[in-house]
Formats: sequence, structure tokens, C-alpha cells
Amino acid sequence: DTEVTQTPKHLVMGMTNKKSLKCEQHMGHRAMYWYKQKAKKPPELMFVYSYEKLSINESVPSRFSPECPNSSLLNLHLHALQPEDSALYLCASSQAVDKREIGDTQYFGPGTRLTVL
Amino acid sequence: AQSVTQPDIHITVSEGASLELRCNYSYGATPYLFWYVQSPGQGLQLLLKYFSGDTLVQGIKGFEAEFKRSQSSFNLRKPSVHWSDAAEYFCAVGTGTASKLTFGTGTRLQVTL
Repeated sequence: DTEVTQTPKHLVMGMTNKKSLKCEQHMGHRAMYWYKQKAKKPPELMFVYSYEKLSINESVPSRFSPECPNSSLLNLHLHALQPEDSALYLCASSQAVDKREIGDTQYFGPGTRLTVL
Repeated sequence: AQSVTQPDIHITVSEGASLELRCNYSYGATPYLFWYVQSPGQGLQLLLKYFSGDTLVQGIKGFEAEFKRSQSSFNLRKPSVHWSDAAEYFCAVGTGTASKLTFGTGTRLQVTL
């Protein structure tokens, strides 16, 4: 089973709201990722967690706050977003992020379509 | 830094016809190469991957890809396209740690009946 689940599927929020996106995997993967994808563009990496620790932050604005409560869960907390933050937010997971590992493969969830009004 | 080029933004093929989507990469070391497919509003589904070994790799849904180091290419092929194959296709290269994927800009496939 290579399933990554994301909730909610759709989210509409105002610029003053606080909301959270949730991602879950039960494949025993120890790396999890958040991507942002605008229409007709490839996904852009935002954050990487490796063994529940933040390992990569691609200079994402602080209004996006990731959290990894355990190895199966990944959250993205949203606060004071801008309309240009409207996008599809994708979560992915992989077995390991380690320089000694090869052949790591990312599996993606279905995404959350976020609209900021 | 690595990069991926997908020269074709949009391709239209007739159902039953063969398909080849092009992908060229730039990376100094041994690349880890992937093809993903994305239907509208959906996540990315892994079609196939190349890490090492046989340069012709088989994937799901009847797709295959061939790694050609001399041409820095990893083209995706399918002998007979089905209408359900209409989607966006992304080629990606992974670093040695595979923690960062660099995606191409994607190729939108349209299938005519």
C-alpha cells in the first residue's frame, strides 16, 4: 500500500483565519514533505521532515508553519495567508532521507485545494 | 545544480497511437529519475523510476522509459494510448539523498478519440 492521505480536500479561508492541513501515511516512511503547486506549474518543495525533524525549509514565509507530531503525521498550519497563496498543497512521504540511502522514492497524496479570499 | 527539461508543453495523440514524451536532465552525478502523472486537481502518481541497472524500465499502466546516459535523456513511451491517459506528465530527477526532487515543467497529454 502506497497511500498518503490528506485532509481536507478543499479549504477556503480568509486572510485573517487560522487553519491547518493534515497529512497521514502508514507505510513506515520516515521522511515527509510539503509541496505547493500553482496551476499549470510543477510542484515546488516547501519543507522536508526527516525522522520527525525539520531538515529542509525552502525559505517559506512564516505564515506557513509545519509540524510533525509523529512519524505518520504531518501538519501545515496556516495563518494570515495572502490570496497568492491559493494553490494545491501536496504532501509526500518516502522511506528515508539519508546520504547513505539510494533509491528513495516519494509517494504523493491527493492534495488540498486551498483558496484564500 | 540539477535541472530537467521537458521540451513539449502540450502533445495531442489519437487513441491507439504510440506515445513518446521527452525528458532531458542535467546532473553531475548518477541521476535518480522518475516519471509522475497527474490528473486534473489530483496528486502525483508514480509511473516508474530509474536508479541503476537495466536502462529500460517498466512502469504501471503499460508505460516504459529508457535511460540514455549519452543523451542525458529519460523518455517515456507507451505503444498504444488510451483516452484515460490524458493528464499532465512530470519528469523529475532526485539528488543523491533523494530528499529533493527537481521537476520538469510538465507535458500535458491530450488524447483524441
